[in-house]
Amino acid sequence: DAKTTQPNSMESNEEEPVHLPCNHSTISGTDYIHWYRQLPSQGPEYVIHGLTSNVNNRMASLAIAEDRKSSTLILHRATLRDAAVYYCILRDYSNYQLIWGAGTKLIIKP
Amino acid sequence: DTEVTQTPKHLVMGMTNKKSLKCEQHMGHRAMYWYKQKAKKPPELMFVYSYEKLSINESVPSRFSPECPNSSLLNLHLHALQPEDSALYLCASSQPGGLQETQYFGPGTRLLVL
Repeated sequence: DAKTTQPNSMESNEEEPVHLPCNHSTISGTDYIHWYRQLPSQGPEYVIHGLTSNVNNRMASLAIAEDRKSSTLILHRATLRDAAVYYCILRDYSNYQLIWGAGTKLIIKP
Repeated sequence: DTEVTQTPKHLVMGMTNKKSLKCEQHMGHRAMYWYKQKAKKPPELMFVYSYEKLSINESVPSRFSPECPNSSLLNLHLHALQPEDSALYLCASSQPGGLQETQYFGPGTRLLVL
């Protein structure tokens, strides 16, 4: 089964960009890459997803490597409210389940 | 309305008790999920209902019994739980539509089994 690997934690300064990496070297050709985040004491919330091309939305950007073995979630200007655990997830083609990474705890320093 | 609600927020129960967790969504989603999340771990899938039918049971012990009375409601009945079942129980919903579908999560019920 495909799986994802993420750093345990990262720190960033407020109002600076943040790049959260994810490795998924065993990804299959039809697996979508999803990112969710979980703020303290809340359920996970969707951030962004993509297949092959880079994607942008109002929350973040997703940069996907050409070989799809890694991706990077980019928060363009982090705020204190972005402090959360960020999960890199593969969408399993065979049964539509989410295969969750262990998550990266993002700490934002004022 | 993109909200999934869960009740209760917190629950403390003894090992001989019977209790139920409730989840509701009004987004018209036809897939609903139960997840279990232990501290500092990602959520683990327990059950999936698709069009009100149980489609996935991830080998969950029978002391957890899911129920989907209609397309908006999802229950999780708890009986004879063990202390190791203490966790955050998350409900989610989505509109079945392939690999791109987004899951919407509720805030969870924090369960403590004594």
